[in-house]
Amino acid sequence: QVQLVQSGAEVKKPGASVKVSCEASGYAFTDYYVHWVRQGPGQSLEWMGWINPGSGGTNYAQSFQGRVTMTRDTSVSTAYMELSRLRSDDTAVYYCARGIALPLTTVTTFDYWGQGTLVTVSS
Amino acid sequence: DIQMTQSPSSLSASVGDRVTITCRASRSITISSSYLNWYQQKPGKAPKLLIYAASSLLSGVPSRFSGSGSGTDFTLTISSLQPEDFATYYCQQSFSSWTFGQGTKVEVK
Repeated sequence: QVQLVQSGAEVKKPGASVKVSCEASGYAFTDYYVHWVRQGPGQSLEWMGWINPGSGGTNYAQSFQGRVTMTRDTSVSTAYMELSRLRSDDTAVYYCARGIALPLTTVTTFDYWGQGTLVTVSS
Repeated sequence: DIQMTQSPSSLSASVGDRVTITCRASRSITISSSYLNWYQQKPGKAPKLLIYAASSLLSGVPSRFSGSGSGTDFTLTISSLQPEDFATYYCQQSFSSWTFGQGTKVEVK
């Protein structure tokens, strides 16, 4: 069965960087984009960007341009999201999700999600 | 960016009630398909996809869930609320990048 398993919770100081991993199993890792979405405490969901595991190509949301880097290691079917210059308002749960266009449509959606990684930024 | 606005932000309902949640996009997200998805999220859990392309029910999702709409206005309906349906629901557009509504929390009355 399809699974996305993320790395554990992190506590970081302002100005530091964090790198979250997302290990995929149960499907061909290079066939589906991996998206990253975050959710601040009590807040809605915010899309951060995607990586194409097949090519390594990326697309980042404008609000994260210059601070986020998404990479992948196909040998271990794992995607990574690194966020730098952390601020207190980066405190959130970070999710990876598989992007897919379901049958008979070109509409992209996120059909499988990781369990989430809590990143706490505090001095 | 396309903004997504849900209403209400929260609602109280009882088991068996019919529940309707609306989602409005800041501009049309329909061409040949409507680029609108609905997710359910329970506390401490990842979102779960329910409906894609505005009205297509994901396999395995109970038929009491349905979606409708086109252009800028969309609706998620739960025909008869069940105990496991108390959760927060989010709409998401995938027409231009991806953005989510602010969520609608369905609480016990």
